[in-house]
Amino acid sequence: AQSVSQHNHHVILSEAASLELGCNYSYGGTVNLFWYVQYPGQHLQLLLKYFSGDPLVKGIKGFEAEFIKSKFSFNLRKPSVQWSDTAEYFCAVNTGGFKTIFGAGTRLFVKA
Amino acid sequence: EAEVAQSPRYKITEKSQAVAFWCDPISGHATLYWYRQILGQGPELLVQFQDESVVDDSQLPKDRFSAERLKGVDSTLKIQPAELGDSAMYLCASSGRLRENQETQYFGPGTRLLVL
Repeated sequence: AQSVSQHNHHVILSEAASLELGCNYSYGGTVNLFWYVQYPGQHLQLLLKYFSGDPLVKGIKGFEAEFIKSKFSFNLRKPSVQWSDTAEYFCAVNTGGFKTIFGAGTRLFVKA
Repeated sequence: EAEVAQSPRYKITEKSQAVAFWCDPISGHATLYWYRQILGQGPELLVQFQDESVVDDSQLPKDRFSAERLKGVDSTLKIQPAELGDSAMYLCASSGRLRENQETQYFGPGTRLLVL
C-alpha cells in the first residue's frame, strides 16, 4: 500500500535558522506531491505542490521543496525561518488515482 | 475569500448515540472530501465525492458511518452508533473538477468530536 513518511514529529528551531523537513513516499509510478500547513487556530492550507516540470518548486512565504524521484523524496526547505512559521506541516501524495495520502505531520516550533 | 463551511465546530456525545456533521464546499467545487484526523496523525480520507457520486469510500466504516451529497453541493457525514474510538477531528475539503489529482484541496475548520 502507498504510504507517506515524515521523519520528524517535532522540530524546534531558533529564528533565522534553516529548515528542512523530510518526506518520503512509497510508490514507483507517477506522483503528485503536496505540502500543506496548519498555523495555530487556522485551517489546513496549501503551501506548495508539484506534478510535473522543474523538480524544485517554490511556494508561499519563502518555502520551497525538491522532488528527487530516485529517492522517493519531497523535502520542504526554507533558508531562514521566522517565529510566524510555527505550525504543523503535512506532506501529501496522490498517485494518480482519487486518493491523497497524508503523512503524520511535523510540528515546527520557532523560538523568537 | 470563499471558504469551506462546517458545522458544528464541536460535538460531545455519548457512545451508542447518533451524530451528524455538515459541510458546505466552496461554490462550484465538484469534488468533496471527508477526512478523519486522529490526534498526532495526518488526515485520513473517509469518503470522496465527485458531484453527487461516491468515487472512493474504501476507508469508510460502512457498518456505522454513512455519507451523502444528494444534490452535489453540501454533504452530511453520519455516525450511528458512535464509539469511543470515533473521537477525532472530522475535516471536510473541496476542490475543482479539472485534473482532480492535481487540484488544491481547500479545507474547512473541522468538527471536533468527543465520544464519552
